[in-house]
Amino acid sequence: QVQLVESGGGVVQPGGSLRLSCAASGFTFSSYPLHWVRQAPGKGLEWVAVISYDGSYKYYANFVEGRFTISRDNSKKTLYLQITSLRVEDTGVYYCARGRDFRAHLDHWGQGTLVTVS
Amino acid sequence: DIVLTQSPDSLAVSLGERATINCKSSQSLLYGSNNRNTLAWYQQKPGQPPKVLIYWASTRESGVPDRFSGSGSGTDFTLSISSLQAEDVAVYYCQQYYSSPFTFGPGTKVDI
Repeated sequence: QVQLVESGGGVVQPGGSLRLSCAASGFTFSSYPLHWVRQAPGKGLEWVAVISYDGSYKYYANFVEGRFTISRDNSKKTLYLQITSLRVEDTGVYYCARGRDFRAHLDHWGQGTLVTVS
Repeated sequence: DIVLTQSPDSLAVSLGERATINCKSSQSLLYGSNNRNTLAWYQQKPGQPPKVLIYWASTRESGVPDRFSGSGSGTDFTLSISSLQAEDVAVYYCQQYYSSPFTFGPGTKVDI
C-alpha cells in the first residue's frame, strides 16, 4: 500500500535551517507530483509547495519568500524540503502528500514531522 | 491567489442528522480543459493527517461512506453528511487545485 514517511523535524533556533525528508513506498514514485503541507499547532492546513513527477516544475506558497526549496530524488523515492532562515511562525507539523495528478487532489498523506522554531 | 472561505466555522449536529458545510471561492474553479470543478474536501481527525473525501467537487474517494457527498460548481460548493455518525467528528477542509498556490479553506469543526 502507499506509504509516505516524513523525517527530519526537530527544534531549531530562529534563523536556522532544516531539511525534511519524505520516504515513499508502495507506488511508482516517479509518476506522481508531490506536495508539502504544513499545520501550525491548533491551526488549519497551509499548502507549502509542489514538485512535478520529474522535478521540472516547482511551485511555492507566497509566504515561502525564497526560504524553502522542494526537491526529489526519484532513484531514492524520496521527497525533500530544505528550509532556511527559519522563523517562529514556521513552527508546525509538515506533511508530505501525493497528488493524484499535477492539477488534482492529494490522495495519500504521511503522518507528518514536527518542526519547532524556538 | 484564490481565497477559500468556509461556513460555518463550527457546527454541532445530532447523531443521525444532516450536516452541511459550505465553501466559497474567490474565483471560479471550473477548469475549462475538462469542464470539472477543481475542488476537494478533506477530513482531519485529532492527531491524524487529513484524508480526502471528495474530489472534482462531487466524486467520492474510494472507500468513503456514501453518506458523504459533494456538490456545487463555479465558486460555491457544499459538503453534506447525510446522517452524522460519531466517527464523523472532525475538522473538514476544502482545497482548490485550479492554480498555484493550491490553497485550503480555514476549516469547519463538526461536533455531536
